[in-house]
Amino acid sequence: LAKTTQPISMDSYEGQEVNITCSHNNIATNDYITWYQQFPSQGPRFIIQGYKTKVTNEVASLFIPADRKSSTLSLPRVSLSDTAVYYCLVGGRMNRDDKIIFGKGTRLHILP
Amino acid sequence: KAGVTQTPRYLIKTRGQQVTLSCSPISGHRSVSWYQQTPGQGLQFLFEYFSETQRNKGNFPGRFSGRQFSNSRSEMNVSTLELGDSALYLCASSLRPSGEETQYFGPGTRLLVL
Repeated sequence: LAKTTQPISMDSYEGQEVNITCSHNNIATNDYITWYQQFPSQGPRFIIQGYKTKVTNEVASLFIPADRKSSTLSLPRVSLSDTAVYYCLVGGRMNRDDKIIFGKGTRLHILP
Repeated sequence: KAGVTQTPRYLIKTRGQQVTLSCSPISGHRSVSWYQQTPGQGLQFLFEYFSETQRNKGNFPGRFSGRQFSNSRSEMNVSTLELGDSALYLCASSLRPSGEETQYFGPGTRLLVL
């Protein structure tokens, strides 16, 4: 699985748009990009998944450039309840030796 | 549809003991993965099971083991507990092996080793 790099932490204010970028330089052709959100003492929760260009759902958008070596999770008009850790994962149909690597994630802190 | 359930939710053990944690996946999901989460190391992959077979294993000692039953329920076992095994243990299920599949996580079992 491709290794990912994300900022360790970010701060923003309520009502702002937040963009979290993930680098995945060695992404493979069949890899998808998935983002999860985790609140303290809870399991991660799926936010969005994409392969290329742009994906949007009711909670977020995911922007993936043509080279797919990075992706940006965009959270529109954040609120205090969006304070959480956000993980970027890259993976495709797994081979036997592939391991699932979540990384340290980005700790997003929303301020009033 | 019921989500992923894990039992017990909290557990206190002492060093040297063993522990068994249980995970029931979402109905119809055949893949179950286990993770250990600690403040220092983050979320680390333990192993994945699909159709009762271990497909993948993370870099954990042999004290950590697991199995999956024919109904896709899974258990993980940690023998000879060490203080460093104190962590939140998370189970996730997906329809198929999880490289591209969305994983659905349970609430976790918080294990404290004294």
